[in-house]
Amino acid sequence: AQKITQTQPGMFVQEKEAVTLDCTYDTSDPSYGLFWYKQPSSGEMIFLIYQGSYDQQNATEGRYSLNFQKARKSANLVISASQLGDSAMYFCAMRNGGSNYKLTFGKGTLLTVNP
Amino acid sequence: DTGVSQNPRHKITKRGQNVTFRCDPISEHNRLYWYRQTLGQGPEFLTYFQNEAQLEKSRLLSDRFSAERPKGSFSTLEIQRTEQGDSAMYLCASSLGQGTSTDTQYFGPGTRLTVL
Repeated sequence: AQKITQTQPGMFVQEKEAVTLDCTYDTSDPSYGLFWYKQPSSGEMIFLIYQGSYDQQNATEGRYSLNFQKARKSANLVISASQLGDSAMYFCAMRNGGSNYKLTFGKGTLLTVNP
Repeated sequence: DTGVSQNPRHKITKRGQNVTFRCDPISEHNRLYWYRQTLGQGPEFLTYFQNEAQLEKSRLLSDRFSAERPKGSFSTLEIQRTEQGDSAMYLCASSLGQGTSTDTQYFGPGTRLTVL
């Protein structure tokens, strides 16, 4: 069974600094996809970035990048130049290639950006 | 471009009552998903539709829960005889259905259910 672990319940960062949110995963399927979502206090889950298990390069989307270390089974999210609007819950999620519908989520990390 | 919409956004009900939630996916998205999120947890998968066919149901979905997606468009999630443990955020998501792990799910704003 697949599992996602986010060990940081909360993180603080100063505005304009970079922050790394940790995510480790466990799966026996060689084909899988890793996702990061942002959930502001309003409740909507906003898709940020995707990394496939066979992708050779780390994914990047604007200020978001994914530090993918396959051997260590980690997929950490890096947010550069933090903004006040980045304050939110962040969830790491995985989908196995064999069951390409269900997302398995971690418990999330609450990021607070200080001015 | 409209995203996934859900109605109502909030629902307060008394224990034992039935409730129904609606989800309208992004147009042309073939797949539709329901998740439940309780306080302090990540979303948990409930069920999934490919067009109008319900292809998977989680064990979390007891007999009191039923979901439909008539004609492969909007979906409804009904909870009968609600219990206090049903209090949660119910999230709907949709995706194109590309058949690969890249098939990104886009979520709606959720319906927050409170059972008194």
